[in-house]
Amino acid sequence: ETGVTQTPRHLVMGMTNKKSLKCEQHLGHNAMYWYKQSAKKPLELMFVYSLEERVENNSVPSRFSPECPNSSHLFLHLHTLQPEDSALYLCASSQGGLGVTDTQYFGPGTRLTVL
Amino acid sequence: AQSVAQPEDQVNVAEGNPLTVKCTYSVSGNPYLFWYVQYPNRGLQFLLKYITGDNLVKGSYGFEAEFNKSQTSFHLKKPSALVSDSALYFCAVRKAAGNKLTFGGGTRVLVKP
Repeated sequence: ETGVTQTPRHLVMGMTNKKSLKCEQHLGHNAMYWYKQSAKKPLELMFVYSLEERVENNSVPSRFSPECPNSSHLFLHLHTLQPEDSALYLCASSQGGLGVTDTQYFGPGTRLTVL
Repeated sequence: AQSVAQPEDQVNVAEGNPLTVKCTYSVSGNPYLFWYVQYPNRGLQFLLKYITGDNLVKGSYGFEAEFNKSQTSFHLKKPSALVSDSALYFCAVRKAAGNKLTFGGGTRVLVKP
């Protein structure tokens, strides 16, 4: 598809579990993003990394912990989640950091269900 | 602050008829506008963007969008809709370099045979 892959595609976890979502981009981009997509709500930007440095954190609860070991990989570590965290988690990447003409390309998402 | 409104939750259209998905925005300064499409169980796919220049922007899959500064709108259009165009469409705006992309709530398009 777009050169951005996410694993797993589906994840069911209990509130006491610890899991991680993985995103990999094959586009040579320098910026990566995590979004949360819930039913009947606009996409919520969670985190932004540019050149492996976190440049934005939109008041996300600490039970979500991002990690960007290099410009091609992005992780979202999850622990002690709540049922309201159930959503589609989308990863995106873009070419030039945060330039005005920058276009974000999205992965297929991980459908997370918290029991 | 910046915001995007997609006033229609759903648009129904017959196959072969013109399709329009509405988007209005609010931003200070020049807007940079984007359209994405999301098919079931998939991520968002980039369709087109307006940065500057010609107000009519052509994108993927026969879609186009018209930027109207006076009406602060960026409506998505397709002259002849296909059943395969049935999906969720998102409009998004960015104000300037370093600013985040703000998405509208999405419009579901249903094209009936």
